[in-house]
Amino acid sequence: QTVVTQEPSFSVSPGGTVTLTCGLRSGSVSTSYYPSWYLQPPGQAPRTLIYNTNTRSSGVPDRFSGSILGKKAALTITGAQADDESDYYCVLYMGGGTWVFGAGTKLTVL
Amino acid sequence: EVQLVESGGGLVQPGGSLRLSCAASGFTFSDYYMRWVRQAPGMGLEWVANIKEDGSAKYYVDSVKGRFTISRDNPKNSLDLQMNSLRAEDTAVYYCARAPILADGLADSWGQGTLVTVSS
Repeated sequence: QTVVTQEPSFSVSPGGTVTLTCGLRSGSVSTSYYPSWYLQPPGQAPRTLIYNTNTRSSGVPDRFSGSILGKKAALTITGAQADDESDYYCVLYMGGGTWVFGAGTKLTVL
Repeated sequence: EVQLVESGGGLVQPGGSLRLSCAASGFTFSDYYMRWVRQAPGMGLEWVANIKEDGSAKYYVDSVKGRFTISRDNPKNSLDLQMNSLRAEDTAVYYCARAPILADGLADSWGQGTLVTVSS
């Protein structure tokens, strides 16, 4: 059973805006979960986009932003580009030094 | 430039052992929490273990508790993962990751990974 939920897939048009979400099977995500976001192009290592809800990692363009929307953490991508096509993972801090990833969202830009 | 380079992966039989290493450079290693994350073939990411800056605290995902041990050698800028009693489900690419300086996120930097295959 998946504790951390993500949309399995999403599509966005080039230049468009998309918001991916990261929730809990039960309960609400808050900043206390230190939500983080990573992208992983096929065959490559993960790269950090956002951590601690809305802190952009070094070198990440401001097209990527993190927030809490309602009961979920959210990653918003504006001005989508072809090379944004990737798998996106969120992870939440569950306490006691442990972290749990969502199953990932496959983003298609078309 | 932050660099994390994993080594030590390979093919091992079920029940066997393997020790992974991560060589860190480009930053003050002893200032950062470090983590291991893995990814089984065709699957998503899974957090495996953490170790505090001075090695005084370690945490593990339930599925590896009692079998894996995370350790670090700060003077050598090295992070290790000793894996014992390996199972087929431990087959994965293992990534070394650096936590942000305040440890307020899982990782801000990643290595390229090393593949561990557990099979007879």
